[in-house]
Amino acid sequence: GAGVSQSPSNKVTEKGKDVELRCDPISGHTALYWYRQSLGQGLEFLIYFQGNSAPDKSGLPSDRFSAERTGGSVSTLTIQRTQQEDSAVYLCASSLRWGYSSYNEQFFGPGTRLTVL
Amino acid sequence: GIQVEQSPPDLILQEGANSTLRCNFSDSVNNLQWFHQNPWGQLINLFYIPSGTKQNGRLSATTVATERYSLLYISSSQTTDSGVYFCAWRDGQNFVFGPGTRLSVLP
Repeated sequence: GAGVSQSPSNKVTEKGKDVELRCDPISGHTALYWYRQSLGQGLEFLIYFQGNSAPDKSGLPSDRFSAERTGGSVSTLTIQRTQQEDSAVYLCASSLRWGYSSYNEQFFGPGTRLTVL
Repeated sequence: GIQVEQSPPDLILQEGANSTLRCNFSDSVNNLQWFHQNPWGQLINLFYIPSGTKQNGRLSATTVATERYSLLYISSSQTTDSGVYFCAWRDGQNFVFGPGTRLSVLP
C-alpha cells in the first residue's frame, strides 16, 4: 500500500480482556517496528521484525505482550489480560530494510488508541 | 545507554518566525532521524540525517556526528508546523526517541 496502515484506529476494552492490534507495512518493506506512546509521554520501542523474525523481544513490557508477523507483511501485536496501564497509542512503523543505512528510514502508521477501562 | 537532550523543551513562535531545534547526545548515534508528530498524533518522517545537511522546503537539518549533535531548522514557520519534534536513533537492537520539543506556532 501507499503507507503504513493500522487497525483498529481506536479500541476500548475491559480490564482482563485480550486485544489484537494489526499493522500493514508499506509494500516491500522487510523491517517492521512496534512502539507505544502513553498519554503525554515519549515513544517507547517495543519490538522489531526482520522479515518474520523478531530477534529481540526484551522491549516488550511484560509476558502479556506478544507479536508475530506472517508472510513478511502483516504484523499483529497481542496483549493478553489487559491492564489499565496498557492504555496508550500503539504505533507501527516499517522500513525498507534493517541495517545501518538509509534503508533503515522508518515510516509510521496512524496508530491504534487503546483504552482499558 | 545514550543520553539525549532536546532543546528547547517548549517553543512558542509567531507565524513567520524562524527557529532552531537541537538534539545533543552523550555518545555517537546511528541512523539519526527527525520526526514531526502533529497535533493529531501522526508521526511524519522529516529527515534521515546520520551526518551532513539536508533541506526540504522550509525545513533543513544538520548532523555533526563528531560533535554529537543534530539541528533542525524551521524557517518562515506556519501554524501547521505545530506539534512535537523528535530526534530518534538506533541504539543496538532498539530505536530510541528523544523527549521532544513541543512547538506552538501562533497565527
